[in-house]
Amino acid sequence: KAGVTQTPRYLIKTRGQQVTLSCSPISGHRSVSWYQQTPGQGLQFLFEYFSETQRNKGNFPGRFSGRQFSNSRSEMNVSTLELGDSALYLCASSSEGSSNSPLHFGNGTRLTVT
Amino acid sequence: AQKVTQAQTEISVVEKEDVTLDCVYETRDTTYYLFWYKQPPSGELVFLIRRNSFDEQNEISGRYSWNFQKSTSSFNFTITASQVVDSAVYFCALIFSGGYNKLIFGAGTRLAVHP
Repeated sequence: KAGVTQTPRYLIKTRGQQVTLSCSPISGHRSVSWYQQTPGQGLQFLFEYFSETQRNKGNFPGRFSGRQFSNSRSEMNVSTLELGDSALYLCASSSEGSSNSPLHFGNGTRLTVT
Repeated sequence: AQKVTQAQTEISVVEKEDVTLDCVYETRDTTYYLFWYKQPPSGELVFLIRRNSFDEQNEISGRYSWNFQKSTSSFNFTITASQVVDSAVYFCALIFSGGYNKLIFGAGTRLAVHP
């Protein structure tokens, strides 16, 4: 089985722009989660989707949004980018999205905001 | 509130040494799950182990072993006879039942294994 695929791997954007990141989960996985990783804050949960519904959300401003499509692929969007949004964004999928299911992570998208 | 503490920021060892990575957690939930992940330089988080709060049995997988003690709220990870390929950042994480994949991660421990 192919793993979790995230595109693009690297992005450079300017403050004020918006960006869309994409994630394709492992085949058959219906839950997709997004995490932000920064040197200062570490790994922080953004949101989780299951069958196109957002079930859980972390403490991030409304500039961060996401969605999930019927094929379980997911996108996250960040609008009005700020320098502090520079981070590694990790997507993870699991089969059922229950707390018991281990998350399988992609390689991430490294976003740099200048 | 839930919290995971990995007090060791960086550990440096020489190949073949044994090394233990500490993890202490806080939660008021009675049902929860603990995880360890490895993050090599490539960036992806690699799942190593999951343990639920009702299973305190220690586990061994090859050179890896885990010691879960509810009495001290700890879930420590030991690598026996470390190898250079073990060099990575290791994260301990916690989720409560019904947490919908909202893992609470520790800050991570960077392990450097030198030849």
